Amino acid sequence: EVQLVESGGGLVKPGGSLRLACAASGFNFNTFSMNWVRQAPGKGLEWVSSINSRSSYIFYAESLKGRFIISRDNAKNSVFLQINNLTAEDTAVYYCVRMKPTTNAGDYWGQGTLVIVSS
Amino acid sequence: EIVMTQSPATLSVSPGESATLSCRASQSIRSNLAWYQQKPGQAPRLLIYGASTRATGIPDRFSGSGSGTDFSLTISSLQSEDFAVYYCHQYNDWPPYSFGQGTTLEIK
Repeated sequence: EVQLVESGGGLVKPGGSLRLACAASGFNFNTFSMNWVRQAPGKGLEWVSSINSRSSYIFYAESLKGRFIISRDNAKNSVFLQINNLTAEDTAVYYCVRMKPTTNAGDYWGQGTLVIVSS
Repeated sequence: EIVMTQSPATLSVSPGESATLSCRASQSIRSNLAWYQQKPGQAPRLLIYGASTRATGIPDRFSGSGSGTDFSLTISSLQSEDFAVYYCHQYNDWPPYSFGQGTTLEIK
């Protein structure tokens, strides 16, 4: 069974940093591209970042470049999202998403981890 | 950047009836479109990819159609568990991936 389990969210002050993690199981992690998608409270879905299987292609939403860093450790079946200089606008549930092979539809989503940025 | 526009924002339908949700892309995305269902407190679930292919385990009352810029998701014989928020997602031209703003399907 495919499972994606996020962790690392919480309450952080503006200007702070967080490192989110996503532990994957039930599939051959090192052959899949992985993404982070976020959802602010009561809002829609926003793509954040993508990393391919070998970490050779990394992309970010334009508005988030410079503060977000995606990485992965295939030996540990994990993908990470480092978020720096957090602002209130970063308050959201952050989902780890596996992209379906041969397409780029998100076929498996984690349960999400909530990040709250507040003083 | 491709902009995805969903309509209507809210759709009220009675159980047992059918519902059709629309999604329009600001430029052609061929058939590179997915639909997701999201219930309160849950992660989105993939329903349809390739504009019309049902994902694993999705009942056949869910059907997708369209190509180019105009797409639709039809849910026939609505059941109570189908009332949720639905998002479309284009993956033809990225980065960035883009999502529609969502359609809330509510019980009439």
